[in-house]
Amino acid sequence: AQTVTQSQPEMSVQEAETVTLSCTYDTSESDYYLFWYKQPPSRQMILVIRQEAYKQQNATENRFSVNFQKAAKSFSLKISDSQLGDAAMYFCAYRGALPGGGADGLTFGKGTHLIIQP
Amino acid sequence: GAVVSQHPSRVICKSGTSVKIECRSLDFQATTMFWYRQFPKKSLMLMATSNEGSKATYEQGVEKDKFLINHASLTLSTLTVTSAHPEDSSFYICSATDRGKEKLFFGSGTQLSVL
Repeated sequence: AQTVTQSQPEMSVQEAETVTLSCTYDTSESDYYLFWYKQPPSRQMILVIRQEAYKQQNATENRFSVNFQKAAKSFSLKISDSQLGDAAMYFCAYRGALPGGGADGLTFGKGTHLIIQP
Repeated sequence: GAVVSQHPSRVICKSGTSVKIECRSLDFQATTMFWYRQFPKKSLMLMATSNEGSKATYEQGVEKDKFLINHASLTLSTLTVTSAHPEDSSFYICSATDRGKEKLFFGSGTQLSVL
């Protein structure tokens, strides 16, 4: 079974600074997807960024970027120029790539509560 | 973008009653839907996977007779919590994927409180 570990229950960063959230995972599969989701107080799950395991290039989405280290099974999220609206729970998630293109449910880490200090 | 509508957003029921939660894909055909459960300040745990027209696949430890899932059409999946008890109180979230299975869309969740 796959596991996702987020070792930082809470992180705090000054507005406009950069913060990195850690995530490691364990899997025996060679093809899979990794995600970072944001969950604000509304509890709506918002996709922040996605990475396909077969791609060596790290995904980026504006101020959000990842450091994907496949051999180390590490998938950290870097948030640059932190904004007050970034405050939320952040979940790292894993999804296997089933043969034939099927969809697998997500395995989530326990989450990191990100606090933005004004 | 694609939208998944989940209703109700909040429900309070008496112990022993059944509650139905609906998850609809509004502008795409959801061939696969997933149901998650989230306890306060905890992570999301996958409960079951349902494919349109077939029986749901439940994760280990999830009682299929308590959490009935129906995915009768390409746009609707329902989760029925039968004979609800206070320990079933939780936040339930659905998600859906389209035929391409590349993207996953989440509903807004349902807070169930069993008295």
